[in-house]
Amino acid sequence: GAGVSQTPSNKVTEKGKYVELRCDPISGHTALYWYRQSLGQGPEFLIYFQGTGAADDSGLPNDRFFAVRPEGSVSTLKIQRTERGDSAVYLCASRSGTSFTGELFFGEGSRLTVL
Amino acid sequence: AQSVAQPEDQVNVAEGNPLTVKCTYSVSGNPYLFWYVQYPNRGLQFLLKYITGDNLVKGSYGFEAEFNKSQTSFHLKKPSALVSDSALYFCAVRDRSASKIIFGSGTRLSIRP
Repeated sequence: GAGVSQTPSNKVTEKGKYVELRCDPISGHTALYWYRQSLGQGPEFLIYFQGTGAADDSGLPNDRFFAVRPEGSVSTLKIQRTERGDSAVYLCASRSGTSFTGELFFGEGSRLTVL
Repeated sequence: AQSVAQPEDQVNVAEGNPLTVKCTYSVSGNPYLFWYVQYPNRGLQFLLKYITGDNLVKGSYGFEAEFNKSQTSFHLKKPSALVSDSALYFCAVRDRSASKIIFGSGTRLSIRP
């Protein structure tokens, strides 16, 4: 597709369950970011990939959160033992090249609701 | 540590009037600065950026922003507001020594006819 694709668009789960959120970036974009946006707040940085490696994972809130990008394209954000506080919209963005001057292209997000 | 502040949760402007959405930042070095817009049920979209050079940068939909190093500000402006400009606006900053891009809390812009 032409843009960043995120699936599922909506996910409702129960407290304690495991969740995977997928991001398919724009073809050829080597940089990929995950953000979390709670209601009424700005996007909160979680993790940044350059290629296959996590270049900066300082925003992951705890060890229940993990993200992978094994082939340098699609990325999966994994949340173990979900808690109600994890409810938010999870945003993925990609950028071409290694220069940080380029803009980010965002997907429409995956809305996670933990009951 | 880098941070960005948007002091106004909401800005209300009459159509045809000029608008300003404020943003201030804090970084340890020279910043990269960005503005993004979020329409209802849509992903964030890039509006404009300051990297280096001219302090006044122009972007999409007639928006512009002025980088002011002494005031550490990057306010978003438009000479004549449209009802269709109503949306949520986010300022973002990256310290050149860091890899992550930090977003402000957002300002809801409401343009009344």
